[in-house]
Amino acid sequence: NAGVTQTPKFRVLKTGQSMTLLCAQDMNHEYMYWYRQDPGMGLRLIHYSVGEGTTAKGEVPDGYNVSRLKKQNFLLGLESAAPSQTSVYFCASSSDPVGEKLFFGSGTQLSVL
Amino acid sequence: QKEVEQDPGPLSVPEGAIVSLNCTYSNSAFQYFMWYRQYSRKGPELLMYTYSSGNKEDGRFTAQVDKSSKYISLFIRDSQPSDSATYLCAMSAYEGFGNEKLTFGTGTRLTIIP
Repeated sequence: NAGVTQTPKFRVLKTGQSMTLLCAQDMNHEYMYWYRQDPGMGLRLIHYSVGEGTTAKGEVPDGYNVSRLKKQNFLLGLESAAPSQTSVYFCASSSDPVGEKLFFGSGTQLSVL
Repeated sequence: QKEVEQDPGPLSVPEGAIVSLNCTYSNSAFQYFMWYRQYSRKGPELLMYTYSSGNKEDGRFTAQVDKSSKYISLFIRDSQPSDSATYLCAMSAYEGFGNEKLTFGTGTRLTIIP
């Protein structure tokens, strides 16, 4: 049982480069989320989706775009990477919107030089 | 001031000790309270979930919520080296928005010394 799978696990970018992080879940969950985790800042929500074809902004959406073309996949894009986007990115999914159990992936360590 | 405050630690205790982890919050509308455990280089996993006030026990873990003091705690009894991890508190106020209003603490790094 894979749960939530994130690719890649590590990536180094130069300022201005673009990339896409892929999140895939096999639990048929409606709700999917992208968080970033920084020291001293905790987990902060970037974007989220309440179902296939929907996306919405979270707490820190600037510089990121997302797409949910298929229910099982949630993509996070960085169009022009900046050093401030150096972080660990986590994808999560859940079956219930009311504070229920979030299933997290193992994270993507991104460094922007 | 952050909505949720959590002592970052690090906290080191000997094996078998009782561990107390705490969070304070300022938003009186929070009613769902969670504790997540995060091992190094892994994603968080839900450990305890509590609605409103009171206690909840699951094996060696007890979660307490005191809404009057805006204070939540996680107690670990008979701590084991496998409990060494970062513990994140999280809370939400369901106003029709759901998980996107989930607010996390910064996490407390715990080490259990054999």
